Amino acid sequence: AQTVTQSQPEMSVQEAETVTLSCTYDTSESDYYLFWYKQPPSRQMILVIRQEAYKQQNATENRFSVNFQKAAKSFSLKISDSQLGDAAMYFCAYRSRYNQGGKLIFGQGTELSVKP
Amino acid sequence: DVKVTQSSRYLVKRTGEKVFLECVQDMDHENMFWYRQDPGLGLRLIYFSYDVKMKEKGDIPEGYSVSREKKERFSLILESASTNQTSMYLCASSPGGLMGDTEAFFGQGTRLTVV
Repeated sequence: AQTVTQSQPEMSVQEAETVTLSCTYDTSESDYYLFWYKQPPSRQMILVIRQEAYKQQNATENRFSVNFQKAAKSFSLKISDSQLGDAAMYFCAYRSRYNQGGKLIFGQGTELSVKP
Repeated sequence: DVKVTQSSRYLVKRTGEKVFLECVQDMDHENMFWYRQDPGLGLRLIYFSYDVKMKEKGDIPEGYSVSREKKERFSLILESASTNQTSMYLCASSPGGLMGDTEAFFGQGTRLTVV
């Protein structure tokens, strides 16, 4: 079975600085997808960024980028030029490409606070 | 704008009550999911459904059941609520088939307290 681990329960960053959130996963599959979701205090889950395992190029979405290391089974999220609105719970998630009904497997979450 | 709607944002129920949490999506998605969110544990899958009347157990199905009579609606049922089922419940939906990296869409969550 696949597992996702986020070892940082809480992180803090100064506004305008850069922060990296860590995520590792375990799987025997070679084809899968990885996601970072953001959950602000409103509780609405928002997709931040996604990565396909067969793509070597790291995904980027504006100030958000990932460092995907397939051999190491690592998928970290880098937030550049942090803003107050980035404060939220961040979840790393895994999804198999071919089976299991599209279900997402989540990590424990990292609470990010942004200091003005 | 895509939407997943959960019937209640906050709910307080008594121990032993039968509780229904409702979720409706307007995107014609095949897959629907119920997750439970607890601090330090992340989101854990309770049940999911990949078609009408089809359901599969997730990682923590004990004490729960589900119903999907129509494609757009997926209900989570607590047969006899217990205090250890006090939690945040999140519903999600996504397209079926080989959907690539298509995201799942989530409802706003129901915070259930069992007293």
